[in-house]
Amino acid sequence: AQKVTQAQTEISVVEKEDVTLDCVYETRDTTYYLFWYKQPPSGELVFLIRRNSFDEQNEISGRYSWNFQKSTSSFNFTITASQVVDSAVYFCALSEAESTDSWGKLQFGAGTQVVVTP
Amino acid sequence: DTEVTQTPKHLVMGMTNKKSLKCEQHMGHRAMYWYKQKAKKPPELMFVYSYEKLSINESVPSRFSPECPNSSLLNLHLHALQPEDSALYLCASSQDGEAYNEQFFGPGTRLTVL
Repeated sequence: AQKVTQAQTEISVVEKEDVTLDCVYETRDTTYYLFWYKQPPSGELVFLIRRNSFDEQNEISGRYSWNFQKSTSSFNFTITASQVVDSAVYFCALSEAESTDSWGKLQFGAGTQVVVTP
Repeated sequence: DTEVTQTPKHLVMGMTNKKSLKCEQHMGHRAMYWYKQKAKKPPELMFVYSYEKLSINESVPSRFSPECPNSSLLNLHLHALQPEDSALYLCASSQDGEAYNEQFFGPGTRLTVL
């Protein structure tokens, strides 16, 4: 069963617009970790952020911000004032710390393609 | 050095060929991973090595054979592949394979099987 859902397949914006990527996850574990990765056209996945299940504090890093809400099992990601270089596929991923079947595995969502045009 | 390197970048092989993909990291990480990624899909985990021992095999066909000669190197030996095995093969490493570890990915090897 899909544990991480990224409902948006593709989002197209014009440069300087904000874009928010949705991520909904499902787990029975109490302890788990959520990640966002960026995959530009070059192919290499780049780690952006990690959040643990006990830390719901939202975070801002430059033009990136993350909104983690356990009550809705969501971990959304916003790019403010988007730039052409932000064009990439963004993956949300879950890592469960308790389930023996999934321990040590990153479970990825389907990804959201972000296209930023000048 | 926070880099994971992979060679070759591109590989074209016939179904009867034997080839190997190589991955190297010098971050002192003790867990290394192979993923397969088809176009417009997320990476799919294939194998995990933890402290140089195979800890996870996601029911991968035996035509893919992983090897971890030491803590810095990871190989994927390929034999008798099928055209549907054409994909981007990504290597990754993490501190020690714990759930909280972020994984660092290499640029991948784009494999085409004819």
